[in-house]
Amino acid sequence: AQKITQTQPGMFVQEKEAVTLDCTYDTSDPSYGLFWYKQPSSGEMIFLIYQGSYDQQNATEGRYSLNFQKARKSANLVISASQLGDSAMYFCAMREGSPRSLHDYKLSFGAGTTVTVRA
Amino acid sequence: DTGVSQNPRHKITKRGQNVTFRCDPISEHNRLYWYRQTLGQGPEFLTYFQNEAQLEKSRLLSDRFSAERPKGSFSTLEIQRTEQGDSAMYLCASSLVQGKGEAFFGQGTRLTVV
Repeated sequence: AQKITQTQPGMFVQEKEAVTLDCTYDTSDPSYGLFWYKQPSSGEMIFLIYQGSYDQQNATEGRYSLNFQKARKSANLVISASQLGDSAMYFCAMREGSPRSLHDYKLSFGAGTTVTVRA
Repeated sequence: DTGVSQNPRHKITKRGQNVTFRCDPISEHNRLYWYRQTLGQGPEFLTYFQNEAQLEKSRLLSDRFSAERPKGSFSTLEIQRTEQGDSAMYLCASSLVQGKGEAFFGQGTRLTVV
């Protein structure tokens, strides 16, 4: 079964507007972490934001915020005030278990969402 | 530059040849990962090191693939007798044991097997 599902293959957004990227996940582990990465055309995966399963508040990092709905198993990324440089592929990923565990360390990625920001 | 460094950035090889890629992680990171990414897909886990110990290999990693991390520093990924299906982006990442466990990625090595 897919652990991470991103249902939006591509999205267009007008510059300066906000965009929400959907991510749902599947795990039975009570301890997990959710990550969003940005991958521009250059290929490098850039870490954006993290949400731990026990975190009480939604994570925010500058223009990025994570809408974490634990009961629904969703972790949507919101990019506010879109910029042309935000055009890229965005991936949602999950680490199951504690980060200190030797055996629960790898990330499972979704298929990604391509975001194109229009001027 | 103190980020994860991968070499080469691009590699074109003929089917049947062997190739080797190198990854230099962030210096204080003790965990190192290899992922493979095919066009239009998210990265898939291949293997993982904590210091010099290789702790897991994915079933995606056939016996033609081998990875090493001597002395717990840089890592190499070798593919023997390459096949066209090996064409992909090979991404290396590193992380600390402490903290959130977020992985920092290099720019990848794009392999094309012709």
